[in-house]
Amino acid sequence: DTGVSQNPRHKITKRGQNVTFRCDPISEHNRLYWYRQTLGQGPEFLTYFQNEAQLEKSRLLSDRFSAERPKGSFSTLEIQRTEQGDSAMYLCASSATGTSELFFGEGSRLTVL
Amino acid sequence: KNEVEQSPQNLTAQEGEFITINCSYSVGISALHWLQQHPGGGIVSLFMLSSGKKKHGRLIATINIQEKHSSLHITASHPRDSAVYICAPYSGGGADGLTFGKGTHLIIQP
Repeated sequence: DTGVSQNPRHKITKRGQNVTFRCDPISEHNRLYWYRQTLGQGPEFLTYFQNEAQLEKSRLLSDRFSAERPKGSFSTLEIQRTEQGDSAMYLCASSATGTSELFFGEGSRLTVL
Repeated sequence: KNEVEQSPQNLTAQEGEFITINCSYSVGISALHWLQQHPGGGIVSLFMLSSGKKKHGRLIATINIQEKHSSLHITASHPRDSAVYICAPYSGGGADGLTFGKGTHLIIQP
């Protein structure tokens, strides 16, 4: 297993367009997290899945954001009607049950023009 | 909400120097992560500790739960250690109980 994989690594889009990011966690990990990181800041929690169930969502996750993990494996994060303030690095992490050790992906950098 | 402060924010040192990065937080925690982030975004977990001290190669992490403080030390620093180091204490209560510091930007010059 090569670790947590995210794609695309970079996405440039125009304001108002929809974008989707994909995260493939480490295969035996049942927990999956999405974070957002803006320049000069630490990551901020967006949402968390245990298997296919979305158990937690941050208030940062506006109704333009939706995340899914339909089969408890990969996850997608969709942003509708993107705004310039959505420009950030979107990080995915996974962990196994019983541990709080996180394994992060390389991130997907979004630039909204 | 756990308030996390890291110091220094930026650090430039010469190869071989002993490096210390500090992390203070405001809320009691059950564990604390030290993470390394290279340019381009990828984050690697260096340590997860809940008490005492851990060592991995040239990296040492310590934590004092009572004082709400942790330090990351790098011995015999090398240019490849140049990265952003992020402290992330976990205060429990679910996935959003993990709070990240803003990071310390370390540059090791040859």
